[in-house]
Amino acid sequence: GNSVTQMEGPVTLSEEAFLTINCTYTATGYPSLFWYVQYPGEGLQLLLKATKADDKGSNKGFEATYRKETTSFHLEKGSVQVSDSAVYFCALSVNSGYSTLTFGKGTMLLVSP
Amino acid sequence: GAVVSQHPSRVICKSGTSVKIECRSLDFQATTMFWYRQFPKKSLMLMATSNEGSKATYEQGVEKDKFLINHASLTLSTLTVTSAHPEDSSFYICSARAGASSGNTIYFGEGSWLTVV
Repeated sequence: GNSVTQMEGPVTLSEEAFLTINCTYTATGYPSLFWYVQYPGEGLQLLLKATKADDKGSNKGFEATYRKETTSFHLEKGSVQVSDSAVYFCALSVNSGYSTLTFGKGTMLLVSP
Repeated sequence: GAVVSQHPSRVICKSGTSVKIECRSLDFQATTMFWYRQFPKKSLMLMATSNEGSKATYEQGVEKDKFLINHASLTLSTLTVTSAHPEDSSFYICSARAGASSGNTIYFGEGSWLTVV
């Protein structure tokens, strides 16, 4: 079956620190990979995605590279801000219409000034 | 941009009663909506796929008679937890898929916390 494993949180960082949130997956078929972010009191929002091996998704300073050989899609940001504090979800979909998403458990990021 | 709204955001109900959660797409039509639940420190688990005008498709292990889903219009899906029990307490979140012209983008609601006492 399909599954997503991401590192447990919370991840606590100081402003301007480097961020890595690990995500690995297992999938039947060739998945598309996603990172979603949920800010306090809001719904999940798509942060970035990659649809094929070696693709790099990027948005708002975050990036993640689709690594088929290691079945990974780690999220990175070079310099975090307090406003990045949120819960981050790694997800995959094997449907072309992205209709069925399999999520990881989510990782809470807390950034202090 | 597209927004999906859930209501209520928090609800407390007594054991044995039913509670309804609404999911609305505010500025687009969604032929397909999805309902998830999340237990603490667990993944979001897909409960069912809701298609406008037809019966919902439930995932294995989800009781369709307990979690009633209605998708009566292109902008509204409802989840009713019937005869709620404390073990139904959870975070419920919906998502709605915009059409192919919008890249089949999926938008999520804010989620609803249900506490059954």
